[in-house]
Amino acid sequence: ETGVTQSPTHLIKTRGQQVTLRCSSQSGHNTVSWYQQALGQGPQFIFQYYREEENGRGNFPPRFSGLQFPNYSSELNVNALELDDSALYLCASSRGGASGNTIYFGEGSWLTVV
Amino acid sequence: GEDVEQSLFLSVREGDSSVINCTYTDSSSTYLYWYKQEPGAGLQLLTYIFSNMDMKQDQRLTVLLNKKDKHLSLRIADTQTGDSAIYFCAETSNNAGNMLTFGGGTRLMVKP
Repeated sequence: ETGVTQSPTHLIKTRGQQVTLRCSSQSGHNTVSWYQQALGQGPQFIFQYYREEENGRGNFPPRFSGLQFPNYSSELNVNALELDDSALYLCASSRGGASGNTIYFGEGSWLTVV
Repeated sequence: GEDVEQSLFLSVREGDSSVINCTYTDSSSTYLYWYKQEPGAGLQLLTYIFSNMDMKQDQRLTVLLNKKDKHLSLRIADTQTGDSAIYFCAETSNNAGNMLTFGGGTRLMVKP
């Protein structure tokens, strides 16, 4: 049990639609990162939020956006969904500052775009 | 960009030791991690090692780091069928805070 919770666990969307995924970080953790894991691949970094500010972004287009709230929970929004957006979306929680703190993941949200 | 490489597949017999290998290119790596992923699940943190260490042991798990060769390994002693999963190596660097760069994963199959 990591204390990181994600919702929803599974969802199906149509191409062109928009989706919002949610993550609650572990107590005491102020940094949330989002990753996309396509089938059969390792997770790819999307972006990270630290104290409500975006603090690093991977190679993803602007239609991937996010928010972090004062309680450090976070949302990932994806607009204009494409078929290739079908993947497992993982949220990771950690304590900010120097790297190397324990980084815990939630169980993920499975997104299928049809 | 920086790269992390793993072999795709490893098969061992129950009770044997498993050794999963990983290589990385980032010379500014600070921490290296091992995660386990079971089918349909998220990532479970197994262990991590700071780059100025060369070994870390935690119960059945032993991590070895050769920083000169940029090679990391995870040894699982007395491998059990419950250890069957995909294992991911990942690293963070000085330049990227808590951003993880992952390998493609190694599928471990444990035969009874």
